[in-house]
Formats: sequence, structure tokens, C-alpha cells
Amino acid sequence: AQSVTQLGSHVSVSEGALVLLRCNYSSSVPPYLFWYVQYPNQGLQLLLKYTSAATLVKGINGFEAEFKKSETSFHLTKPSAHMSDAAEYFCAVRLNYGGSQGNLIFGKGTKLSVKP
Amino acid sequence: NAGVTQTPKFQVLKTGQSMTLQCAQDMNHNSMYWYRQDPGMGLRLIYYSASEGTTDKGEVPNGYNVSRLNKREFSLRLESAAPSQTSVYFCASSPQGISYEQYFGPGTRLTVT
Repeated sequence: AQSVTQLGSHVSVSEGALVLLRCNYSSSVPPYLFWYVQYPNQGLQLLLKYTSAATLVKGINGFEAEFKKSETSFHLTKPSAHMSDAAEYFCAVRLNYGGSQGNLIFGKGTKLSVKP
Repeated sequence: NAGVTQTPKFQVLKTGQSMTLQCAQDMNHNSMYWYRQDPGMGLRLIYYSASEGTTDKGEVPNGYNVSRLNKREFSLRLESAAPSQTSVYFCASSPQGISYEQYFGPGTRLTVT
């Protein structure tokens, strides 16, 4: 079965510091992976996606993620945090089997706080 | 384009009452989804519709029904609301294609007392 685990339900960084949000996946087939961001009282917005092309994926707002098959990881990074990055971030894997093909399985989310 | 729209934004129900959450998308997407979001639980799939005319259960379908009215609209019905259904509900849609990314609506915050 495919699944996603996000390490750390809450991450706090200082403005200007590196942001690292961790995501590990489980999949018996090459996965499609996504990072979404949710600002307070809003829906989810796609940050970036991995679809088996380049392993380093660049997204919106300066975020990027690297697919590492050997580590089954897809961690999200940003070199310098901004106050506006404070939000909840979700990692997701696309199901690749049967009638559920195309459905997403979400991690439980990581809430990012940015201190001035 | 409005993208994915949901109505209402907020709703308070008493236990046992019924209601329908509405969702519409204007992106000509084939697939539509209903999720619920609870603190610390991430998003859990309630029902989905892979294409017009089909619906299937997701991870947490009990207590809910859905209707794919046409390609644009996908509604979620609570026949007899329970306090355990207090949650934020999100509708999403997805085009067919290799990436299968989903586009989300703004959500409906439902409280059942």
C-alpha cells in the first residue's frame, strides 16, 4: 500500500533561516508526489509536484523538493524563510493501482511558524 | 475562472438535521473529490467521482452520500448529522492526465451541536 509520513507536526524557524519540512513515502511503484500549502482559513494550493522527470523540483514562492529514491524521501526546502511562509504544509502521494488510481493520500501536515 | 467553488462557507447544524454541501468547478475536469479535514488528521477522502456518472467510496464514507449532478457539480449530503461530523470539508477537482494534481475549493466549516 502507498502511504506518506510527515516528520514533525510543528516546525518553527526564524525569518531568513532555512526551511526543511520532511516527507517520507511508501510505494511499490514509482510514485507521483506533491506538496501543498494551506494558509489559515483557506483551501490547499499546489506548491510543486514530482512526476518522474527531474529529481529536483522547483515550485512556487521559492520552495523546492528533492526526490530521493534510496531514502524514499521528498523533503521540502526553502533557503530563506519569510513571515508569509507561515502556513500548514501537506505532502501527498498519488495512488497507482486499481479503481483508486489518481486519488491522493495525504500526510497529516506540518505547521510552519516563522519568528521575526 | 472561478476554479472550485463551495457553498456554504459556514454552517451550524443540530444533531439529526440534514444538509447538502455544494461544489462546482469550471475547469472542465473529469474527477472530483470530497475530503474532510480534522486537526492532526490531515485530509481524509470521503467520496470521489472519477468521471461524470460514477461515484466511489473513499476512506471515511459512513454517514455521507454524494451526487455527481453533471460534469461541473458534485454535492455531499449528510442525512442525519452527528457531532463526529464537525469538520472542515473540502471539494477538489482533477483533470485526466499523468500528473493528477488536484485543485481545491475554499472549504466549508461545519459544526454539529
